[in-house]
Amino acid sequence: AQRVTQPEKLLSVFKGAPVELKCNYSYSGSPELFWYVQYSRQRLQLLLRHISRESIKGFTADLNKGETSFHLKKPFAQEEDSAMYYCALTVRGSTLGRLYFGRGTQLTVWP
Amino acid sequence: DVKVTQSSRYLVKRTGEKVFLECVQDMDHENMFWYRQDPGLGLRLIYFSYDVKMKEKGDIPEGYSVSREKKERFSLILESASTNQTSMYLCASSSRTALHTEAFFGQGTRLTVV
Repeated sequence: AQRVTQPEKLLSVFKGAPVELKCNYSYSGSPELFWYVQYSRQRLQLLLRHISRESIKGFTADLNKGETSFHLKKPFAQEEDSAMYYCALTVRGSTLGRLYFGRGTQLTVWP
Repeated sequence: DVKVTQSSRYLVKRTGEKVFLECVQDMDHENMFWYRQDPGLGLRLIYFSYDVKMKEKGDIPEGYSVSREKKERFSLILESASTNQTSMYLCASSSRTALHTEAFFGQGTRLTVV
């Protein structure tokens, strides 16, 4: 069965410090991994997906199949990065599009 | 601008009432979803639909039902609201034909059952 684990419920860093939000998954097939973000009073939105290998707002995430991880990283955190972050998984090639979410990590960036 | 719109931002209902939460998307998406969002529990899937009149149970369907009579509209129904159904409800949609899956979310409905 598919499972996504985000071990940190809360994470606090100071502005300018590096930040890493952890995500581990369990799935025997070929997954597609995502990070979704929810800023205060805004709707949940896609931040980035592993298949695009892109950097969004300075964030990157690399899929490590050996460690079954998809950690989100940013070298210099900004106050506007404060938000709830969810790691999510879907079955690659599935047309149903069902997402399996982790429990989320609330990131606070202090000035 | 793609849009998933939920009919209410806030709702207060009494225990035992039948509650309807409505969601409309304008992207011609085949897939639609209802999630429940609770602190510390993340997003849990209640029901989803991959076509008109089709529905599949998610992880926590008990106490809920859904209706999808038109492609753009997906309704969540609480047959007899209870206080443990007080939560934030999120609707989402995605395309079955897009090369890469991306779900688009509504703004959420915060339901309080008293």
